[in-house]
Amino acid sequence: QSMLTQPPSASATPGQRVTISCSGGSSDIETNPVNWYQQLPGTAPKLLIYRNNQRPSGVPDRFSGSKSGTSASLAINGLQSEDEADYYCATWDDSLIGVFGGGTKLTVL
Amino acid sequence: QMQLQESGPGLVKPSQTLSLTCSVSGGSVNNDNSFWSWVRQPAGKGLEWIGRIHTTGSTKYNPSLKRRVTISVHTSRNQFSLKLSSVTAADTAVYYCARDLRVRGYTYGYGYYYYYMDVWGKGTSVTVSS
Repeated sequence: QSMLTQPPSASATPGQRVTISCSGGSSDIETNPVNWYQQLPGTAPKLLIYRNNQRPSGVPDRFSGSKSGTSASLAINGLQSEDEADYYCATWDDSLIGVFGGGTKLTVL
Repeated sequence: QMQLQESGPGLVKPSQTLSLTCSVSGGSVNNDNSFWSWVRQPAGKGLEWIGRIHTTGSTKYNPSLKRRVTISVHTSRNQFSLKLSSVTAADTAVYYCARDLRVRGYTYGYGYYYYYMDVWGKGTSVTVSS
């Protein structure tokens, strides 16, 4: 089981669009849907996107997800200061073993 | 609204067994589409999937921890638990329990299951030190 690959950091100014990538392989991302979690400082992770591009109730439509092949992406449009957080992609492999990305720390400049 | 709450010792001695419990309220652990997971996070680091269990007792574990991990479900108490044996300082982390929801999906008429952790506990900090 290998960790999914995310950039360790990303930054943008308020109002801009930012994307976070998540790279995996043929036995995880390519085969299974990807979920994204947002972790605000000092809090538990929160489900942000599930099944590649679905938003749970209450998640603003500024957040969107996509997947192609062995990679997935999270996009945030109209960045706001409260979006400053750590973001994690996650999926599972062919044996239903869970795997997270290393996390991306998003800074709102 | 389902809520999860972790509990257990905040300090464990090296070589001993870490034991945590997750109490579920607002829902039942005895739900066929719910899997019960543990995730941990060392200070300043990312999330690590530990494993999960279904109400039937079926488990999946992170291969890197499998030799030391046992996850159990206690339906009468509406709880599930984590035991991690032979702990070292590397096991010091915040431990989260979460509900991993299983949903049936269809793509081009092909049915499949997908999962996502939709409910999380607040986490409990565990330090391994003598």
